[in-house]
Amino acid sequence: GAGVSQSPRYKVAKRGQDVALRCDPISGHVSLFWYQQALGQGPEFLTYFQNEAQLDKSGLPSDRFFAERPEGSVSTLKIQRTQQEDSAVYLCASSLARAGYYGYTFGSGTRLTVV
Amino acid sequence: DQQVKQNSPSLSVQEGRISILNCDYTNSMFDYFLWYKKYPAEGPTFLISISSIKDKNEDGRFTVFLNKSAKHLSLHIVPSQPGDSAVYFCAASPVLNQAGTALIFGKGTTLSVSS
Repeated sequence: GAGVSQSPRYKVAKRGQDVALRCDPISGHVSLFWYQQALGQGPEFLTYFQNEAQLDKSGLPSDRFFAERPEGSVSTLKIQRTQQEDSAVYLCASSLARAGYYGYTFGSGTRLTVV
Repeated sequence: DQQVKQNSPSLSVQEGRISILNCDYTNSMFDYFLWYKKYPAEGPTFLISISSIKDKNEDGRFTVFLNKSAKHLSLHIVPSQPGDSAVYFCAASPVLNQAGTALIFGKGTTLSVSS
């Protein structure tokens, strides 16, 4: 597609429920990032993939968070046993291998609300 | 500890006037800076960037200034238009033009341009 597509746009989960958030990056983009944006904050880095390899997961807040990109295109961010503090907008971004000067292209995000 | 700081949560400007958004950073290893613009319910979109070897980069109505000695950058919008009303995020990267580099964002400044 023309842009980064994320689904669902909105997700309400009961505390303790598992959720899966999907990201479909721009075709041909090697790099894929997940960011978490809490209310009133800037996006914070969660994890990075280069093709199917997860090269950096230092930003994942706990072992309840897991991300995968098995075929080097679509990525899924999974949160197990959701807690209220997980409520945030989860942003996916993709870029060409060396597109740093132009930053990354972000999707519209998934707004997760844990009740 | 915030490495990228946007100390003004909001800014109001009249149409046609100049908007100046400010950003400070603490990590001297940052040598690449970007500005993103975000409308409600959308992901951040890349606006303009600057590397540390420059002190100014201009793109149409948008100019970014970098003062490395003061660890300060600013975004100037001239003339401001109502469509510029959005949240503006300053972001920094420690490595120039490298794939997989996580951006570090400030908390954002909400710009309101009145007609």
